[in-house]
Amino acid sequence: KAGVTQTPRYLIKTRGQQVTLSCSPISGHRSVSWYQQTPGQGLQFLFEYFSETQRNKGNFPGRFSGRQFSNSRSEMNVSTLELGDSALYLCASSFEVNEKLFFGSGTQLSVL
Amino acid sequence: AQSVSQHNHHVILSEAASLELGCNYSYGGTVNLFWYVQYPGQHLQLLLKYFSGDPLVKGIKGFEAEFIKSKFSFNLRKPSVQWSDTAEYFCAVKSHNAGNMLTFGGGTRLMVKP
Repeated sequence: KAGVTQTPRYLIKTRGQQVTLSCSPISGHRSVSWYQQTPGQGLQFLFEYFSETQRNKGNFPGRFSGRQFSNSRSEMNVSTLELGDSALYLCASSFEVNEKLFFGSGTQLSVL
Repeated sequence: AQSVSQHNHHVILSEAASLELGCNYSYGGTVNLFWYVQYPGQHLQLLLKYFSGDPLVKGIKGFEAEFIKSKFSFNLRKPSVQWSDTAEYFCAVKSHNAGNMLTFGGGTRLMVKP
């Protein structure tokens, strides 16, 4: 069974640009969550989707958005990038809510 | 708002030593508790979780954790560590009705010397 797949693995952008990250959950998983990991702030919850609906949202500005498609694949978008958005963005999936989370390898975003 | 504190940022042990990593959280309601591990170059993976029932939870690779509600703690233990336990360990908590919205601690880097 393939794990959680995140693309791209690495991304370099400049301030002011926008970026879209993709996450393919494990087959059959309907819940997808996104986390931001930085050395200073650690792991912080961004949002969670279940069956195409956003269930929870973390404390991030509106520049951070996401969506989930009918096949459970998810994308997150960050507009008007800032230097502080440089981070590892992790996606995690589970079959149902409150079940074991499986994490992907992440997308390392660098904003110059 | 929830918060999670892991007091030890770096721990160095010799093989066969016993391990205890501290985790304290602040939240007044019913919580679910987790320990995740990230081995070098690998994904975050679940070590163990507590939802309800026996407060002593056993996980993979010989790890266990004890939920002490009165102390808001969920410390991770292993009686005898191995070199392969070298990794970063994260404690996480969520409200029982908060989906998969986890609040993570800052992590503890464990190095086990052979």
